[in-house]
Amino acid sequence: AQRVTQPEKLLSVFKGAPVELKCNYSYSGSPELFWYVQYSRQRLQLLLRHISRESIKGFTADLNKGETSFHLKKPFAQEEDSAMYYCALSVGPGNTGKLIFGQGTTLQVKP
Amino acid sequence: DGGITQSPKYLFRKEGQNVTLSCEQNLNHDAMYWYRQDPGQGLRLIYYSQIVNDFQKGDIAEGYSVSREKKESFPLTVTSAQKNPTAFYLCASSRGTGVSNQPQHFGDGTRLSIL
Repeated sequence: AQRVTQPEKLLSVFKGAPVELKCNYSYSGSPELFWYVQYSRQRLQLLLRHISRESIKGFTADLNKGETSFHLKKPFAQEEDSAMYYCALSVGPGNTGKLIFGQGTTLQVKP
Repeated sequence: DGGITQSPKYLFRKEGQNVTLSCEQNLNHDAMYWYRQDPGQGLRLIYYSQIVNDFQKGDIAEGYSVSREKKESFPLTVTSAQKNPTAFYLCASSRGTGVSNQPQHFGDGTRLSIL
């Protein structure tokens, strides 16, 4: 079955602390994974995708096929990172663009 | 401000009534999607369309219908057959399919409630 699991509903850290938002997936094909973020009163937007291997706003995510994980990390959290984060898996034959989303994790960065 | 426009922002439905949610994009994207967002469940795909005049069911299509007569428009109708329609509905679009999947761009959403 195709599935994305984000085990933490809420992650609360202090400013300057490291952050790791967990994402595990289940998919028999070659996975393509994304992290989307929704800041307060803003639209859901793409944060990063594994195929780009980039760092956005200090966040990175490495695809680990052995552990079927795509955890999102940042060494030093900032208050402006507080938001809802969704991990998403692209599935479907012929690159249909279909996404399966995890349940989301709310990141709360305290001053 | 280019992008995806969803209307209305809030919508109320009476029992037995069909309602239509609008989604328009000016990004010249080929693919469009409708998601339903419920607390604690993330986003679930209702319908998607990769090209004009074509669309496919997502994971929770029952009680919903769509059309794609124009590239920029992908309206979603919530029919009376949808027994639990109260939710937040998100529309998205992407450049489409191809060698690699393109990221999706989202609208602001429509919150549907039952009277």
